[in-house]
Amino acid sequence: GQSLEQPSEVTAVEGAIVQINCTYQTSGFYGLSWYQQHDGGAPTFLSYNALDGLEETGRFSSFLSRSDSYGYLLLQELQMKDSASYFCAVSQGGGYQKVTFGTGTKLQVIP
Amino acid sequence: DAGVIQSPRHEVTEMGQEVTLRCKPISGHDYLFWYRQTMMRGLELLIYFNNNVPIDDSGMPEDRFSAKMPNASFSTLKIQPSEPRDSAVYFCASSLLGRDEKLFFGSGTQLSVL
Repeated sequence: GQSLEQPSEVTAVEGAIVQINCTYQTSGFYGLSWYQQHDGGAPTFLSYNALDGLEETGRFSSFLSRSDSYGYLLLQELQMKDSASYFCAVSQGGGYQKVTFGTGTKLQVIP
Repeated sequence: DAGVIQSPRHEVTEMGQEVTLRCKPISGHDYLFWYRQTMMRGLELLIYFNNNVPIDDSGMPEDRFSAKMPNASFSTLKIQPSEPRDSAVYFCASSLLGRDEKLFFGSGTQLSVL
């Protein structure tokens, strides 16, 4: 089986930096993804890490440590529109890929 | 491409009725996933297909749930009979996993079973 853990809620100030952590336990680990979901909307892809290290995409960065089964999403220069839920997801390989999501972190950005 | 298309957007039904949710994946994608989202359980993977073949249905909660993918451009998720605890948002997502790690989600179906 697999399990993912992330904080349920985070509050941060506009313009600040916030880090959302994700720890996972799974067999056949292939990679870690991050998705954003606004209330009433569908999840949208943000980033993917298959190798250890940091991936940067604009204001968002994602980090992976395979040895620690740990990753995080870093959001810089927070904007009000970043208020949303953020999900980490593990891809399991072994012939076919299976993508399983964590329970999500609700980020509230305050003025 | 129009993206992943799901129908209906909203479905309200009475307990015991049959419910059919529909999904059209992005053309050319070979993976299709069905997820269910609730406040309590988050995004649960129900079943996924590769090249129209069901690979893993271990997330399907009960025999009342069934899913099919008769061709590369259409999939259905059926609940028969429906129960109030099935109320949730059901998402379909498609992808080219292995070549592109992004999942593209449809807008979801909000199901309410009364």
